[in-house]
Amino acid sequence: DQQVKQNSPSLSVQEGRISILNCDYTNSMFDYFLWYKKYPAEGPTFLISISSIKDKNEDGRFTVFLNKSAKHLSLHIVPSQPGDSAVYFCAASAMIKAAGNKLTFGGGTRVLVKP
Amino acid sequence: DAGVIQSPRHEVTEMGQEVTLRCKPISGHNSLFWYRQTMMRGLELLIYFNNNVPIDDSGMPEDRFSAKMPNASFSTLKIQPSEPRDSAVYFCASSQPGGLNQPQHFGDGTRLSIL
Repeated sequence: DQQVKQNSPSLSVQEGRISILNCDYTNSMFDYFLWYKKYPAEGPTFLISISSIKDKNEDGRFTVFLNKSAKHLSLHIVPSQPGDSAVYFCAASAMIKAAGNKLTFGGGTRVLVKP
Repeated sequence: DAGVIQSPRHEVTEMGQEVTLRCKPISGHNSLFWYRQTMMRGLELLIYFNNNVPIDDSGMPEDRFSAKMPNASFSTLKIQPSEPRDSAVYFCASSQPGGLNQPQHFGDGTRLSIL
């Protein structure tokens, strides 16, 4: 049972254009969402997050949008740069009393930014 | 700043052998997570610790897998006996105290191949 889904396994975009990555979730208890970027032979690197009390969070070229009613979030990268070429993972967690976040990850979207 | 350190980076061994993966979390972080990444199942949480205490080990696939955290700066994931289907990339991550919504910081992983 995949609770977090990234339906697009890959995305190709021209340098300077916008990259839009999508993520859907099924568990209504999820209330914190993150995006990670991963280069080959490295671990995932935290990119940006959003709490369920917000519908948008922006950090430089990266913006995450959350639509709770649709259980959908997206990551916008604008403008896209060749260095953004990587695999992007969406992750979600639910508030738990025990400290530490138990993250559920999507399957990832491979982004290729063409110069 | 030193990130999460995992060792070894690569491990190749024959089935039936014991495998021990090691992780040093970021200093000051009090939550530690072990993940496994495979093509079939993606990135899945195996177990996580808070203040050196195992909180949730529901992701540990079977009794052949065990994890320990004897102190705040060291954790091990052991597989005994190992099987070819254990071949995967194993990631360790840590997060700091100060609230539930703290991003996890990942090591570069151990690529494990069981022949």
